[in-house]
Amino acid sequence: AQKITQTQPGMFVQEKEAVTLDCTYDTSDQSYGLFWYKQPSSGEMIFLIYQGSYDEQNATEGRYSLNFQKARKSANLVISASQLGDSAMYFCANFGNEKLTFGTGTRLTIIP
Amino acid sequence: DGGITQSPKYLFRKEGQNVTLSCEQNLNHDAMYWYRQDPGQGLRLIYYSQIVNDFQKGDIAEGYSVSREKKESFPLTVTSAQKNPTAFYLCASSVGTSGEQFFGPGTRLTVL
Repeated sequence: AQKITQTQPGMFVQEKEAVTLDCTYDTSDQSYGLFWYKQPSSGEMIFLIYQGSYDEQNATEGRYSLNFQKARKSANLVISASQLGDSAMYFCANFGNEKLTFGTGTRLTIIP
Repeated sequence: DGGITQSPKYLFRKEGQNVTLSCEQNLNHDAMYWYRQDPGQGLRLIYYSQIVNDFQKGDIAEGYSVSREKKESFPLTVTSAQKNPTAFYLCASSVGTSGEQFFGPGTRLTVL
């Protein structure tokens, strides 16, 4: 069974600061993929970044990077130079057995 | 513009009535998914389909039914057997069976 744990229900960050959103995962699969999605107040889910279990480099996509520590089973999302538009729910997810398993999310609020 | 449409945005029904949620995509994606989201929760998979005329149960399929008669369409029926149908429902699609999924804007269903 897959399990994703996000221990930060909410975070407040000053605009232009960097923020790290925590994610730990539990899986018995040898090959898996970790994903981060953003959910603005409008409700749609937006794919941000992906990390494969065999990828040697940490994934980066613009201001988003993934701090992947395989031995610790963690895949934290780092957002650099936060912007007001980054205020949203953020979900970590693991892809295995043909489906995504989501964590409960972190609500990020950027303070001007 | 390619994308996923879900209609309506808000839906109200009386208890005991079946209701069908629409999901259409013009991305030419093979796989489609239905998720349910409850307040303070991550997304949970209801059903998914990898090809036309075939679909599989997700983690919470009881009380729901789907069909996949066309590649572009994957309607979800919430039946009267679903004990707690009030929730936010999200449809998604992907090129193959993948964790990188494209989501629609969602339908908020309220059963009175």
